[in-house]
Amino acid sequence: GESVGLHLPTLSVQEGDNSIINCAYSNSASDYFIWYKQESGKGPQFIIDIRSNMDKRQGQRVTVLLNKTVKHLSLQIAATQPGDSAVYFCAETGRRALTFGSGTRLQVQP
Amino acid sequence: DTAVSQTPKYLVTQMGNDKSIKCEQNLGHDTMYWYKQDSKKFLKIMFSYNNKELIINETVPNRFSPKSPDKAHLNLHINSLELGDSAVYFCASSPSREPLYNEQFFGPGTRLTVL
Repeated sequence: GESVGLHLPTLSVQEGDNSIINCAYSNSASDYFIWYKQESGKGPQFIIDIRSNMDKRQGQRVTVLLNKTVKHLSLQIAATQPGDSAVYFCAETGRRALTFGSGTRLQVQP
Repeated sequence: DTAVSQTPKYLVTQMGNDKSIKCEQNLGHDTMYWYKQDSKKFLKIMFSYNNKELIINETVPNRFSPKSPDKAHLNLHINSLELGDSAVYFCASSPSREPLYNEQFFGPGTRLTVL
């Protein structure tokens, strides 16, 4: 499944499927991008980051893709698990401070 | 073992009161932050301190005053609380003042409810 935009949509996927969460960022001067995961009642937790001189970075079960031409960032989660259920935020930064998008809620159905 | 801790976790208070939220990090980081998360989950930076020096002060009412007694602590004091202050407040820290290439570590949050 996929989601788009900086508002808070909900993406619902079946356990074991791949998830794609999208983010459109605003500042073309941003040099660094981070995806955070926020579980209910907890603070945001770092998942993966990418610098502007890259277009893809892979972690364990997660991949971040960056398209600077259209200012678009995506997070791909492979084999989504119930523990992946959370709100996911993209964040961008230049030299001043992180600017967060409003997040996407991922619900994993068993 | 908690890297970034906040107290209290929940705070319920009446309009007009003054309250404080405390934050401590044991990561040895130089920079600490306060964020506000509204009911729609939107996270916005309020303040940033580097080695006890204020480096970011976004458009926040002057009823909010951060205080950093040392680089491991950043407290948030709020005067004359208003209904609109109800939110979850997150403290965070990072290794240096430059947000570039620096992961921020977040505390568990303080849910403030103003009645």
